[in-house]
Amino acid sequence: DVKVTQSSRYLVKRTGEKVFLECVQDMDHENMFWYRQDPGLGLRLIYFSYDVKMKEKGDIPEGYSVSREKKERFSLILESASTNQTSMYLCASSRSLGPYNEQFFGPGTRLTVL
Amino acid sequence: KNQVEQSPQSLIILEGKNCTLQCNYTVSPFSNLRWYKQDTGRGPVSLTIMTFSENTKSNGRYTATLDADTKQSSLHITASQLSDSASYICVPGAYNTDKLIFGTGTRLQVFP
Repeated sequence: DVKVTQSSRYLVKRTGEKVFLECVQDMDHENMFWYRQDPGLGLRLIYFSYDVKMKEKGDIPEGYSVSREKKERFSLILESASTNQTSMYLCASSRSLGPYNEQFFGPGTRLTVL
Repeated sequence: KNQVEQSPQSLIILEGKNCTLQCNYTVSPFSNLRWYKQDTGRGPVSLTIMTFSENTKSNGRYTATLDADTKQSSLHITASQLSDSASYICVPGAYNTDKLIFGTGTRLQVFP
């Protein structure tokens, strides 16, 4: 079974702090994704990566950056956390890109920025 | 513009009853459609995936249907169980993008 793990289930940070969210997958997938999920909205793509050290902006990249130094690990960075970044963050991975990419999700990190 | 609309927003049913969730989408060029189940506080898990040429796909008590002409899909749950309480998310895919388009989901609550 594909396993995608995220470093924290719950996280509380203060405005202005630098925040790191870590995601690890164990299926040698090429592609990894970061989404945020807010009430009343569908999952929104922040960034994705199709290879080590490669990244592409999603629909809402502002205020975020990412790092992929190893194939199995994809990090989401909030350079200076703000209250409007309070959200559920979901990481996913897939073997392929394109319309048939089957994405497997981690359990999510609920981030609260005070 | 690619869009997904799901109905109802929320639904309450009694254990053992059947229910049907609806999804209307505007995605072009349409490729496939997935249904995900998301338990509260957890990540989504894939239930079914159908290509544009398929009309129906089952996964246990879950049966998804697809009408690519009318751009509609439904998810039918048979003999509901308490563990079916979750959000169900419709996700159409397009050929010209690597990004999936997620609906806002239908929140289902099953009571004993």
